Parts: sequence; C-alpha cells; structure tokens
Amino acid sequence: SAVISQKPSRDICQRGTSLTIQCQVDSQVTMMFWYRQQPGQSLTLIATANQGSEATYESGFVIDKFPISRPNLTFSTLTVSNMSPEDSSIYLCSATRGEKGNEQYFGPGTRLTVT
Amino acid sequence: GEDVEQSLFLSVREGDSSVINCTYTDSSSTYLYWYKQEPGAGLQLLTYIFSNMDMKQDQRLTVLLNKKDKHLSLRIADTQTGDSAIYFCADHNQAGTALIFGKGTTLSVSS
Repeated sequence: SAVISQKPSRDICQRGTSLTIQCQVDSQVTMMFWYRQQPGQSLTLIATANQGSEATYESGFVIDKFPISRPNLTFSTLTVSNMSPEDSSIYLCSATRGEKGNEQYFGPGTRLTVT
Repeated sequence: GEDVEQSLFLSVREGDSSVINCTYTDSSSTYLYWYKQEPGAGLQLLTYIFSNMDMKQDQRLTVLLNKKDKHLSLRIADTQTGDSAIYFCADHNQAGTALIFGKGTTLSVSS
C-alpha cells in the first residue's frame, strides 16, 4: 500500500484568497489524482496530476481555478484560487502504482471552509 | 457516461449481517472497489474484486459480483458498532485511471 499525507488538514479562508494543498506519498507512484467531496456528497474527480506536464482536468474544473503541480513521482499540490463559499469542501489526494488490482489510496483530506 | 448507484442508508443490529448493494453501468470494468469512510476521516480501501470473479472473501467481508446484472454487493458478517461508517462502491472511469464513486451507503449499527 501507499501512505499519503496532506497539508494542511483543515483551514478556514477568506473569500477571494487562495490556498495551496500539499500531497506527499511515501513511495513512488504512477498516477496521482485530486478529488473533491462536498458536504454530505460523494467524491468527484477534479483532475489527474501528470508528472512534468499540465494536469488533465475533468469537465467543470479549469486550470485557472484549480492549478495543480506534480514536480516528481511522490509529490503534488492543488491550489484553490479566488475562493468562494461554494469551494468549501474536503479535498482529497489519491495515488496508484497501477499494479495488480490498480489499487488507489487516499490521503486523509483537507477540510476547507471559505467564509 | 459511467455511473455507480447505491442505496443511501442501512441500519442493522450488532451481530447481524449487513449487505450493501451497488449497481454500475460500465461493462468493461476490470476491478470494482469498496471503500470505507469513518466520520472526519479519509477513505480506506476495504477490498476489491476482479471482474472475472464472482465472489471474494476476506475475513468478515464477502464481495459478490454479478456481471450480467452489473451488480456488486458487500456483505459484512457479525457487524460491529465499529463498522458504522459510509461505504462507497467505486468503478474506474472510461480512461481506466481514476475512480467514479457511488453516493455512499451510511451504515448505522445499533447495540
């Protein structure tokens, strides 16, 4: 398995500001992803973080709002830009090695509240 | 597009068996997954099943897969209060990379 940590674990931010969330995996992984879980909802994929190139965004999510970096095989960041209260969610990082079972592991999440 | 559906709530008594059901639409799925989310926590991978299997057992957990009906179930034997959580069924997206999740089934176990 892979152990994934995220920083910060939670934050309260003002409307209009930006927050960068860090995701660190304890070993090299092939793919990393960012998901959003709005209050009481399921998880929605924001984007696939590609190492050394631009992230691949899902419909409804754009780079200007959610810039993502992945400088190496174990680390990624997600920035939530120009925040509004609608961005209040849990943001989860996940990763897979693409081995048998294609198991995908999740970080503990970052609970963001925008006021 | 792909879709995963689950019933939203299940309430059982401690010691009973729990059965959580899920249906999916993507017939090309290779693996299907069950995740558990406890209050305030991230997602824990519970188990997964390969699409050429009908059943997989892992201690108190039994996964049943009916490919013809695109139906997946998770049975928890001897359910304990510590099993109270939200259980998510998940399938891969069309690219076969990221996951598509159901809305989650909230399991409530009473003593």
